[in-house]
Amino acid sequence: QKEVEQNSGPLSVPEGAIASLNCTYSDRVSQSFFWYRQYSGKSPELIMSIYSNGDKEDGRFTAQLNKASQYVSLLIRDSQPSDSATYLCAVKSGYNFNKFYFGSGTKLNVKP
Amino acid sequence: GAVVSQHPSWVICKSGTSVKIECRSLDFQATTMFWYRQFPKQSLMLMATSNEGSKATYEQGVEKDKFLINHASLTLSTLTVTSAHPEDSSFYICSASKPGLAGDEQYFGPGTRLTVT
Repeated sequence: QKEVEQNSGPLSVPEGAIASLNCTYSDRVSQSFFWYRQYSGKSPELIMSIYSNGDKEDGRFTAQLNKASQYVSLLIRDSQPSDSATYLCAVKSGYNFNKFYFGSGTKLNVKP
Repeated sequence: GAVVSQHPSWVICKSGTSVKIECRSLDFQATTMFWYRQFPKQSLMLMATSNEGSKATYEQGVEKDKFLINHASLTLSTLTVTSAHPEDSSFYICSASKPGLAGDEQYFGPGTRLTVT
């Protein structure tokens, strides 16, 4: 079992819709969770971090965390073509504080 | 802010030569830096974790004698690809760990594209 699982996609949504990206993780004691965006040919960019159960909103982005279900999601409201990228979920190990586990990413296509 | 730079952004070298890539945290001190490799259309692959002043921890399958990592200061880590071969051609990305309000956050450099001919 991988430490972090994501659907590879592609997830296609029309412009203006809500894109929902999901991630599950296996380390029950993890406390820190991150979403990164990676455009083709570029390096990942941190867009959200979340540490507590519930929702965290930042502009058009909302991260949701449910530790009991070991589930993290990212909602992108009013999706724009410029949001088309691969979204990586990352989880910091609860045992080794130097260890971050990355999912393989979900490719999002926002169609004009 | 949290800015990480890498140099060079791209490099072409001949087979058998060595290439050094620098990673710097510009506006914070990073006790831990990470080196990744990414092949086209594939996932990030962690190569090693480096802590300032100590030896790097390499992931399984990564040759430490081929990929030399030096973390000389809290703002600089270097990766040297020794005796490079065409199969080492890849996108090499470093990241640095910055303490945040509720825990460390990892920030990535822009990457170095290595082509070995």
